[in-house]
Amino acid sequence: AQTVTQSQPEMSVQEAETVTLSCTYDTSESDYYLFWYKQPPSRQMILVIRQEAYKQQNATENRFSVNFQKAAKSFSLKISDSQLGDAAMYFCAYRSTGTASKLTFGTGTRLQVTL
Amino acid sequence: KAGVTQTPRYLIKTRGQQVTLSCSPISGHRSVSWYQQTPGQGLQFLFEYFSETQRNKGNFPGRFSGRQFSNSRSEMNVSTLELGDSALYLCASSLTGFNTEAFFGQGTRLTVV
Repeated sequence: AQTVTQSQPEMSVQEAETVTLSCTYDTSESDYYLFWYKQPPSRQMILVIRQEAYKQQNATENRFSVNFQKAAKSFSLKISDSQLGDAAMYFCAYRSTGTASKLTFGTGTRLQVTL
Repeated sequence: KAGVTQTPRYLIKTRGQQVTLSCSPISGHRSVSWYQQTPGQGLQFLFEYFSETQRNKGNFPGRFSGRQFSNSRSEMNVSTLELGDSALYLCASSLTGFNTEAFFGQGTRLTVV
């Protein structure tokens, strides 16, 4: 079974600074998807960024980028120019390809953004 | 277009009762998945429905069940509620479930007293 580990329960960053959230995973599969989801106080899970394992290029979405290290099974999220609205819980998630939809989530990292 | 709609948003039930939660997916989406979120266990997959058929199931007792209707709307039922069932229940919809993005609703907060 796949597992996802987020070792940082809480992180803090100053507005306009950069922060990196860590995620490692364990799988025996060679092809899969990785995601970062944001859950603000409204509780709705919002997709931040996705990465296909077969793509070597790291995904980027505006201020959000990932560092995907397949051999190390590492998938970190970098948030540049942090904004107050980035404050939320961030979850790393794994999904196999070719199987019915099931996301395996990490335990989350609470990000605080300070002035 | 409208997002994923979950009703009700909040629910308080007594131990031993049963409860039904509803999820209306994005129009055109045929896959609906359910997740339970608790402080202790985090986010756990309950089950997925596609075209009215359960396609995948997590490791939950038989008290947790679901179904999907022909319009893709899904319901989740929990019978004989226990205090430990108190959680945020999230629903996610996607076009097919395979390699397509999942969009989440705002969840139903269930409190069992």
